[in-house]
Amino acid sequence: EIVMTQSPATLSVSPGGRASLSCRASQSVSSDLAWYQQKPGQAPRLLIYGASTRATGIPARFSGSGSGTEFTLTISSLQSEDFAVYYCQQYNNWPPLTFGGGTKVEIK
Amino acid sequence: EVQLLESGGDLVQAGGSLRLSCAASGFSFSSYAMTWVRQAPGTGLEWVSSISSSGAATFYADSVKGRFTISRDNSKNTLYLQVNSLRAEDTAVYYCAKDRRGNYYTAFDIWGQGTMVTVSP
Repeated sequence: EIVMTQSPATLSVSPGGRASLSCRASQSVSSDLAWYQQKPGQAPRLLIYGASTRATGIPARFSGSGSGTEFTLTISSLQSEDFAVYYCQQYNNWPPLTFGGGTKVEIK
Repeated sequence: EVQLLESGGDLVQAGGSLRLSCAASGFSFSSYAMTWVRQAPGTGLEWVSSISSSGAATFYADSVKGRFTISRDNSKNTLYLQVNSLRAEDTAVYYCAKDRRGNYYTAFDIWGQGTMVTVSP
């Protein structure tokens, strides 16, 4: 099973600031990596797939990078609606499909 | 509008059973692999089970294998999850999700609102 590790667990950022979230895979997942945003009481929302391709309707301030075992989600100029929990998920080697433990982005 | 709507969650005693349903609309349901993902209170996301577009292939997490059964009725545009021998650790919100690409197992672009399963000891 591929273990996905996200860091930090919590990230405090000021509105308008930049956030960089890390996701590490226990073995290579190539570019088969997705990022999701989840707000309290809501279902997850797909942001990025293929490590760097934005899903339909996702603003350009969200960007993904990396391949192999190291990945980054960057949110430039954080808006109030961006404060949420973010999860990465690999789909290269499965079953099982695996998610990271999440990073909470909170207001500083 | 592309939509998934889950139902069937409830409060049950340990050892009990439920059937969760996920009604799909707004897309060609029979062309897409579908998946169940769960989230225990205050925790992260856990993949539970996936099924191919035709229903011929099914996959399960080790934690539910032998107790849960995924199925689908493409004539009714509905996905199911039969959950048996429930344990306290199965308490979670259960989401159904649609694969982004089709009959593949990749990223999930559409999620339902979730249905809550609570298992009492």
